[in-house]
Parts: sequence; C-alpha cells; structure tokens
Amino acid sequence: DAGITQSPRYKITETGRQVTLMCHQTWSHSYMFWYRQDLGHGLRLIYYSAAADITDKGEVPDGYVVSRSKTENFPLTLESATRSQTSVYFCASSELAGVSYNEQFFGPGTRLTVL
Amino acid sequence: AQSVSQHNHHVILSEAASLELGCNYSYGGTVNLFWYVQYPGQHLQLLLKYFSGDPLVKGIKGFEAEFIKSKFSFNLRKPSVQWSDTAEYFCAVIYGNNRLAFGKGNQVVVIP
Repeated sequence: DAGITQSPRYKITETGRQVTLMCHQTWSHSYMFWYRQDLGHGLRLIYYSAAADITDKGEVPDGYVVSRSKTENFPLTLESATRSQTSVYFCASSELAGVSYNEQFFGPGTRLTVL
Repeated sequence: AQSVSQHNHHVILSEAASLELGCNYSYGGTVNLFWYVQYPGQHLQLLLKYFSGDPLVKGIKGFEAEFIKSKFSFNLRKPSVQWSDTAEYFCAVIYGNNRLAFGKGNQVVVIP
C-alpha cells in the first residue's frame, strides 16, 4: 500500500546500544523529517532531509544520526541510546508541489523505550 | 526558530459543547499554518491548513480555524463536539526550508 511506514513499531533496548529506526515512503516526496514526541513538549524536530544525500539538523539532533541514500528511505540511528531518548518517534514526508503543498504526512510512529 | 503557543493544554467538555483552541505564533513573515489531530494511539492527521486567501478555513469533521494576522493567531473552533473528537490537537507553522514548528498540543476530552 502507498504511504509512509515505520519499523519497528515498538522497541525496547538498553542504555549504550545502537538502535536504528526505519522510515519508508512510497510517494517519492522530496522532504522527510524525524520528530520525537514527549509529554509536555509536543513534537520536536530531530533531523530533516530536503532530498537524497541532503540532511540537516533540527531542534534536538544530539545523539542521533541520519542518512538518506535513497529518496524513499530515511533511517534514524541512535548511536548509543540513553534513557532520555525514550520517546515516540514519528517520521513524516512532504512535497513542495501540488495540492498537498507543504503538508506533512506522518507515519504511525515507533515507541522506543531505553532501559 | 519559530515558536508556537497553545494554551489550555487540557480541555474537558461535554458532547454538543463548543470548542475553541488558541494558537499564537511568533513568525512575522508569510506563514503557512496547520492544525493536526492525533486520535488515541494513532498518528497525526491534518485537520486544516492556511496558506493564503480567505482567513476562515474549513477543515474536516466540522472544524474551522481563523487566521488573524494582526494577532499572530490561528484559533481552531468546532461549534458542537462529539465524543469521537477526543484527541490531542497540535497547531503548527512552516518556517525556513519547509520545517514545521509545533505547539505543545491541547489534550481534549469529550465526555458523552
């Protein structure tokens, strides 16, 4: 089915481990985003990408790494997970064209717990 | 970075009551404004958006929002809520390079 998917949907890991969250979209949108959602903070932008091989930091990038070798994929890696990275992570995509101009479409989220 | 303020983070109301959620943003230039809704256990979905033109925007499920440029506001309204409107509502504004700044959200609970 077309859309934006995230995997895994739930993940439990331990402090210090590396974790990669996957995001895949089938619309060929140019822009992709990673947010974390925490109680009392709303959604905060971690990293975004304007196109393949172009990424940039958002509001809270520390402790995260992204890559975008293909337009449709935008993985987020926690190089050494910390308890403060326990959160719900949302991936989104958008395009600067057409009737959905600038509208961001969100994936179902990944709930990550770091013990 | 831009900032978006949402007030009354927790709202409890009865079915058929009217709902108004306030949103103020800091950006002074041309803005693209959004309201997203997140139903329990689900991902964010677009309720409505404003880019230009008529400042009164109608969205899905009977929601509307009014853009008041002089007040830097984009308040969301619904005349008569239903139990199914229980959700978290986020106001957001586009700034530099297609990034969204979100408010902290309004948790709305509608009592049957």
